[in-house]
Amino acid sequence: GAVVSQHPSWVICKSGTSVKIECRSLDFQATTMFWYRQFPKQSLMLMATSNEGSKATYEQGVEKDKFLINHASLTLSTLTVTSAHPEDSSFYICSASRAGGSNEQFFGPGTRLTVL
Amino acid sequence: GQNIDQPTEMTATEGAIVQINCTYQTSGFNGLFWYQQHAGEAPTFLSYNVLDGLEEKGRFSSFLSRSKGYSYLLLKELQMKDSASYLCAVKDSNYQLIWGAGTKLIIKP
Repeated sequence: GAVVSQHPSWVICKSGTSVKIECRSLDFQATTMFWYRQFPKQSLMLMATSNEGSKATYEQGVEKDKFLINHASLTLSTLTVTSAHPEDSSFYICSASRAGGSNEQFFGPGTRLTVL
Repeated sequence: GQNIDQPTEMTATEGAIVQINCTYQTSGFNGLFWYQQHAGEAPTFLSYNVLDGLEEKGRFSSFLSRSKGYSYLLLKELQMKDSASYLCAVKDSNYQLIWGAGTKLIIKP
């Protein structure tokens, strides 16, 4: 149990376009979902935390108008990178946690975004 | 500020034992996690410690000392597939995960 999927697994887009990444918890209800970004050979960087039905909480330095997060249900969160530029090219990873226990985060497989 | 320290890189031999240390200074403590991340992949959960002591899970064990702000991940009978980055993360008083930069473990035959 506790499987998280992401779609797409990779995407290449032109500069200026918008890209939507989906994160789904397949076999549990995720009270909280997290979006991370990871540049090559660097650690995970938390971008934002979202709870179902409420606005996401963004980390300092992350532009909320550029990285739109929607957490419409307990099993789906989306991240939209608006007007993407080459510097947005990165590995985007979502994770989800459920209430109770250790609040362990279950990670999706990640989405590799390349902006040309 | 909040800080998680772990070595940048370690090298070990196949079949041997390796210990990866993690020290932390955080505002509060609500548990410590170890994750494994292979290159180009997302992290996978290895262990969770919230009380002092050793948690053993197969070839992997994790130890915690809250008074020392210290944890280690012990990997036994190393296999080539254990070559990966190992991430230490601490949940602070706000239940926010603070991530270490990760330790890249290189296994040599």
